[in-house]
Amino acid sequence: EAGVVQSPRYKIIEKKQPVAFWCNPISGHNTLYWYRQNLGQGPELLIRYENEEAVDDSQLPKDRFSAERLKGVDSTLKIQPAELGDSAVYLCASSLEAGAYSSGANVLTFGAGSRLTVL
Amino acid sequence: SQQGEEDPQALSIQEGENATMNCSYKTSINNLQWYRQNSGRGLVHLILIRSNEREKHSGRLRVTLDTSKKSSSLLITASRAADTASYFCATDKITDKLIFGTGTRLQVFP
Repeated sequence: EAGVVQSPRYKIIEKKQPVAFWCNPISGHNTLYWYRQNLGQGPELLIRYENEEAVDDSQLPKDRFSAERLKGVDSTLKIQPAELGDSAVYLCASSLEAGAYSSGANVLTFGAGSRLTVL
Repeated sequence: SQQGEEDPQALSIQEGENATMNCSYKTSINNLQWYRQNSGRGLVHLILIRSNEREKHSGRLRVTLDTSKKSSSLLITASRAADTASYFCATDKITDKLIFGTGTRLQVFP
């Protein structure tokens, strides 16, 4: 079974340019997450989807970041325009719907990430 | 914002030794998870412990949870070079988002 697939793995752009990241979650996983991980830090949640609905986007900088999950499967995260401080690894993860685990926990499966460098 | 803080930030040991890393968090939780991240890769789930559990084992991993102190520890016994990675704790409440700590970078020398 394929895991969570992300592309591109690496992207280098100049500031003020747009960039987009794509994620294909594990088949059957209704919940999809985008995290941002700065160097030497833990991942921080940007947005969480339950199927095609964004249920938590409180940490998404909406002036320049946007995300969509059409048909409740693949997702795209876009930054326009990019700033120097956006350099980070963008991680996509998926899980079964909340409450599917007996503990009520969300166990996440992560993709390999997309490393963005803004010059 | 990050809920948890791991301690130490970095740990270097020899193969065969045990590695212990700690996680402290701020608010009440329902579950605590530990994840591993190899350099340049995504995170991999290792183990989950519920708030009503005190200890859990999985292979060479042992996790403890002390909700009164809001802390957890991850013990890796008989470490191997392949255990070299960053380790993160993550906490959640039911159906809520998973919040990760800052991580411990473990280096195991052959």
